[in-house]
Amino acid sequence: DAGITQSPRHKVTETGTPVTLRCHQTENHRYMYWYRQDPGHGLRLIHYSYGVKDTDKGEVSDGYSVSRSKTEDFLLTLESATSSQTSVYFCAISEVGLWNTEAFFGQGTRLTVV
Amino acid sequence: AQKVTQAQTEISVVEKEDVTLDCVYETRDTTYYLFWYKQPPSGELVFLIRRNSFDEQNEISGRYSWNFQKSTSSFNFTITASQVVDSAVYFCALRVNTNAGKSTFGDGTTLTVKP
Repeated sequence: DAGITQSPRHKVTETGTPVTLRCHQTENHRYMYWYRQDPGHGLRLIHYSYGVKDTDKGEVSDGYSVSRSKTEDFLLTLESATSSQTSVYFCAISEVGLWNTEAFFGQGTRLTVV
Repeated sequence: AQKVTQAQTEISVVEKEDVTLDCVYETRDTTYYLFWYKQPPSGELVFLIRRNSFDEQNEISGRYSWNFQKSTSSFNFTITASQVVDSAVYFCALRVNTNAGKSTFGDGTTLTVKP
């Protein structure tokens, strides 16, 4: 199994509070991604990183920010959580230079905003 | 822009039946990759197969087979002699060469295999 660890695995937080989710990899892959999964929507990309301090927005980036200060860590921050951000969040990694690779996914973080 | 459509939201079959999950994709890129992932009730995403746009060979892996047809932009997945353990949500995904490895996912097909 690819070495990807997401923390926390479950979190309940109140509306308006900041929340940070962490993705840690041990594979030294260049690319890291944050997706959210909601019923009926599959997985939608929030932000991604193509290197240390290099990040870009995905299709549902509003209300989220990310940081990557080290190759192995990719943080997703909800500055002020809202109920619409209740979701399951997945981190993924890939080595895009090798095109015949799939994205490996973390176990997911279930976030509930009350 | 890329798009993946899995028109079947839910499928229910009885054990040992064959079942095909449909996936239709849209892209203007000539180099791309298609994937299938399985998400069992436990929630993790499990990679099943990858196919690149230059390889239209069908593939069989045990009870699983995949039919890639560029002419119809489809990448369908068939499970032969389904089993209860096949019950899961299955996602089809598309990645293009020019998009930093970002994948576009379909909305998923929930497969329920009844004993």
